[in-house]
Amino acid sequence: DSGVTQTPKHLITATGQRVTLRCSPRSGDLSVYWYQQSLDQGLQFLIQYYNGEERAKGNILERFSAQQFPDLHSELNLSSLELGDSALYFCASSVGTGDTQYFGPGTRLTVL
Amino acid sequence: EDKVVQSPLSLVVHEGDTVTLNCSYEVTNFRSLLWYKQEKKAPTFLFMLTSSGIEKKSGRLSSILDKKELSSILNITATQTGDSAIYLCAVEYSSASKIIFGSGTRLSIRP
Repeated sequence: DSGVTQTPKHLITATGQRVTLRCSPRSGDLSVYWYQQSLDQGLQFLIQYYNGEERAKGNILERFSAQQFPDLHSELNLSSLELGDSALYFCASSVGTGDTQYFGPGTRLTVL
Repeated sequence: EDKVVQSPLSLVVHEGDTVTLNCSYEVTNFRSLLWYKQEKKAPTFLFMLTSSGIEKKSGRLSSILDKKELSSILNITATQTGDSAIYLCAVEYSSASKIIFGSGTRLSIRP
């Protein structure tokens, strides 16, 4: 158990819908990272927040957005969902930037 | 284009063998290289290698960073069936701390 929690574990929804994935980092960690893992794309870095501020941006679509709240938990919002958005979404946390990242168990999103 | 390439894609060996997994990268402003092990669930951290720490060892696992060759190797000695997993290499780079992952090496250990 890494200490990073993600909810929900599984999510099934339809195309065109919007969902919110939630992540709580390990106690004391200020950085939160979001990743997408699909069979054809592998693990892709989406975005990083540090202490409430966006720090780095990867391959995140414009339909996706994220934020980190004052209590350091983070949410990833996915809108106008497409079949291709079906994937495992991981959150990871670290003390700062460039430190070891600890991954949560992931949220499996299925878009029908 | 920034990229991380791992080889081989897949490897099957017998228990007790030693394996070497490779990771090469082409990025601007390299910051660190990380190795992860992924079994059925989330990746778990193995090593972080930076310019100030180019060799790491933990039990039967060890890793070396070659900054001249822009590559890293992950060695596993006396392999066990529990080592079967996908091993991921990731590179953190640029002043914006971006991260890019390789496609992974799927390692299977036969008893």
